Amino acid sequence: AQSVTQPDIHITVSEGASLELRCNYSYGATPYLFWYVQSPGQGLQLLLKYFSGDTLVQGIKGFEAEFKRSQSSFNLRKPSVHWSDAAEYFCAVAPNDYKLSFGAGTTVTVRA
Amino acid sequence: ETGVTQTPRHLVMGMTNKKSLKCEQHLGHNAMYWYKQSAKKPLELMFVYSLEERVENNSVPSRFSPECPNSSHLFLHLHTLQPEDSALYLCASSQESSGLETQYFGPGTRLLVL
Repeated sequence: AQSVTQPDIHITVSEGASLELRCNYSYGATPYLFWYVQSPGQGLQLLLKYFSGDTLVQGIKGFEAEFKRSQSSFNLRKPSVHWSDAAEYFCAVAPNDYKLSFGAGTTVTVRA
Repeated sequence: ETGVTQTPRHLVMGMTNKKSLKCEQHLGHNAMYWYKQSAKKPLELMFVYSLEERVENNSVPSRFSPECPNSSHLFLHLHTLQPEDSALYLCASSQESSGLETQYFGPGTRLLVL
């Protein structure tokens, strides 16, 4: 069965420290890959997406993600987090159309 | 107003009530979506409309009834809901209904069914 896994339910990181959020998928072929962020009381905002080409993708707010086909992973990173990065982060995949499948999300807490 | 808006932002209803959720997109998109977000569960796609025609009904109970009168508006009519239907209901839109198109989300309606 096709699935998206975010192994970390909750991550706490200090302001200024680096952040990495993990995402693994299980699909027959390489799907389209997305990372969304949801701030409290808000809808989801797209951070970045990967369709093909360079496996290191740059997104908004200083985020990047790396696609690793051999590991079926699409991990999200940020070198130095800001307090405003506290939010819930969702990895999503789409086989080849609009049918996004989301992971359960990772909540990020930023401590001063 | 820009982006995707949803009203109301919060709704409390009894199991015998009838209510409607409204979504409006100001992006000139042709596709609109309803998602359900329950606590600690992945977002679930409920319905998809493309050019005002329903193209996806993801095994959603009939107590949820969508309506898309035009490409800018999407409604979700609710009747005889159950407590387990309490969730955040998110609306999204995209230029077309293909995986290549970014979906833009509204802030959601937080629904509580008593």
